[in-house]
Amino acid sequence: EAGVTQSPTHLIKTRGQQATLRCSPISGHTSVYWYQQALGLGLQFLLWYDEGEERNRGNFPPRFSGRQFPNYSSELNVNALELEDSALYLCASSNILRGRGVWAKNIQYFGAGTRLSVL
Amino acid sequence: KNQVEQSPQSLIILEGKNCTLQCNYTVSPFSNLRWYKQDTGRGPVSLTIMTFSENTKSNGRYTATLDADTKQSSLHITASQLSDSASYICVVSLGGSTLGRLYFGRGTQLTVWP
Repeated sequence: EAGVTQSPTHLIKTRGQQATLRCSPISGHTSVYWYQQALGLGLQFLLWYDEGEERNRGNFPPRFSGRQFPNYSSELNVNALELEDSALYLCASSNILRGRGVWAKNIQYFGAGTRLSVL
Repeated sequence: KNQVEQSPQSLIILEGKNCTLQCNYTVSPFSNLRWYKQDTGRGPVSLTIMTFSENTKSNGRYTATLDADTKQSSLHITASQLSDSASYICVVSLGGSTLGRLYFGRGTQLTVWP
């Protein structure tokens, strides 16, 4: 079974440009999460998509946006790139367990990440 | 303020020895706590996941404990192997209206020497 795949592996952009990162979840997973891992910092939650809709958003400016397609793959777009956007961007997928109204234990499986460098 | 603090920041042990990593959190409302292992250059891999009603969970040589009252968790690694060298990240998941949002600790960098 294929895991979470992300593309590209590396991306080099200059300040002010736009970057588009892509993620394909594990087959059967409906949720996709995006995280930023800057050098020396922990993972920071960016966005969560489930069933094509944005369910939650982290404390990032609006120039970080994304979408989820009908096949559950997802894109993360970063507009007006700044130097501090340089980081490893990780995508994770999961299947939300909807039991008796309790959403719990949705293990997230991570991709290898896209390393974005802003020059 | 929701926070997840891990200690120590880094740890070096000899192969075959045991070690314990700590995680303290101030996240609310709490849903569950996970431990992930992240090898250099790779995405994190889930080791254990516990809800507030579970106070211990094992996965092979990894045993995680959770004290929801004191908001502390630990990850105990038994008989360490060279392949255990990695960053171990404590992650707390929120419930309620902030469902799906995870708070990550900065990780403990474990190095196992032969």
